[in-house]
Amino acid sequence: DIQMTQSPSSLSASVGDRVTITCRASQGISNNLAWFQQKPGKAPKSLIYDASSLHSGVPSKFSGTGSGTDFSLTINSLQPEDFATYYCQQYNSYPRTFGQGTKVEV
Amino acid sequence: EVQLVESGGGLVQPGGSLRLSCAASGFTFSTSWMTWVRQAPGRGLEWVANIKPDGNERYYVDSVRGRFTISRDNAKNSLYLQVNGLRAEDAAIYYCVRGGYYLDQWGQGTLVTVSS
Repeated sequence: DIQMTQSPSSLSASVGDRVTITCRASQGISNNLAWFQQKPGKAPKSLIYDASSLHSGVPSKFSGTGSGTDFSLTINSLQPEDFATYYCQQYNSYPRTFGQGTKVEV
Repeated sequence: EVQLVESGGGLVQPGGSLRLSCAASGFTFSTSWMTWVRQAPGRGLEWVANIKPDGNERYYVDSVRGRFTISRDNAKNSLYLQVNGLRAEDAAIYYCVRGGYYLDQWGQGTLVTVSS
C-alpha cells in the first residue's frame, strides 16, 4: 500500500496568513492526488484533484502543486472559515490511501 | 444539485451485520464510479471500497475484504454497503462519495456503532 505522510500534523496560524501543507507519498503517484477540507462535525469537502485542479466552486486562494512523491497545498489569506483539518489522498493505485490530516488552527 | 443521502447505520453487536444505503440524485448515477469512505471517532479518513458504474469491478481495503460487499442498483440510483462480521474497529461514520479516481461529492454520512 502507498503511505501518505502529511506535515505538519497541526499548525497555528492567524487570519491573513499564507499556510502551506505538504504531503509525501511512499512511492511515485504521478499527479493522482487530491486534497480535502473537513470542519468539525461535517463531511469532508473536495478541494483539489489531479494535484493542482480546483473543484468547481473552490476559491482560488487554494492551490496545489507537485508530482511524483511530493505535493503541497497552499492557502492564501487565511480566513476564519478556513480553519479546519486538511487531508491528502492518492488515487494512483489500490487501496486508495489518505494522509493522517493536518489541523489548521488559531 | 448533487445529493447523496446515506442511511442504515446504527448500533450493532460485535459480529453483527448492517446494510448501509446511499440514495443519489442530481447526476447520472449509472455512469458514475462510487466510493465508501469511513471515519472512526476522532480519527482520519479511510477509503473502504469503490465500484464501477456497471457494478462489474469492485475494490476493497484489505481490512474489510471478505466481510463487506459494495453493490449498486442503477435503476434505483442507489449504492449499498453490506457490512458483516462487524468489529469494534469498524465503528465509524460511513460516507458515500461520488467518484472512483478523484472524489468530488460527499454525503453527510451514517454512523455505525459496534458495542455489546
